[in-house]
Amino acid sequence: QSVLTQPPSVSAAAGQKVTISCSGSRSNIRKNYVSWYHQLPGTAPKLLIYQNDKRPSGIPDRFSGSKSGTSATLGITGLQIGDEADYYCGTWDDSLNAWVFGGGTKLTVL
Amino acid sequence: EVQLVESGGGLVQPGGSLRLSCAASGFSISSYWIHWIRQVPGKGLVWVSRSKSDGIETAYADSVKGRFTISRDNAKNTVYLQMNSLRAEDTAVYYCARDHDWYPFDYWGQGTLVTVSS
Repeated sequence: QSVLTQPPSVSAAAGQKVTISCSGSRSNIRKNYVSWYHQLPGTAPKLLIYQNDKRPSGIPDRFSGSKSGTSATLGITGLQIGDEADYYCGTWDDSLNAWVFGGGTKLTVL
Repeated sequence: EVQLVESGGGLVQPGGSLRLSCAASGFSISSYWIHWIRQVPGKGLVWVSRSKSDGIETAYADSVKGRFTISRDNAKNTVYLQMNSLRAEDTAVYYCARDHDWYPFDYWGQGTLVTVSS
């Protein structure tokens, strides 16, 4: 059972938009920045979003992040087959004194 | 070019020990937190431990506290994870990743597989 809750899977058609939610609590998401990662099979995760809504250089603006209260959301527009991956949210938890990840969401592009 | 390279994984019996290394290049770890994160193949990411840039402040997941120790040699630009009293549930791919001022895990290593089995 992960401290941050994500839907196990989401799907949408190519070219469409999808959102992935990440639900936490006052000790983690409410207090700290959220980051998002995606992971292709057999590879290390890659940073997509940091500090709730910032994109590292090289990440297209099709990817966006937001945070409100104890929840965060990753948005992906103009879905491509290459976006099929597992997506994880993460942040620091002040009560646990530990970094916490969501359980991951598998994105399928139809 | 920034790189993190893990090594030291392998097969170990329950109760045994292993020391993982995370060798950094292209940047100085003395300016970065370095974390260890593990992943059972086919499962999610689980944070294990972190070491502050000065090597003094550390933190551990409850599941490894008292068994694992993170350390670093800034002169060798390398971070270590000493894993003792290993259990079957410690079996996973172990990644190291860097973190700086809420720009977390922008670079990861390729991972090293630890298998705890008799």
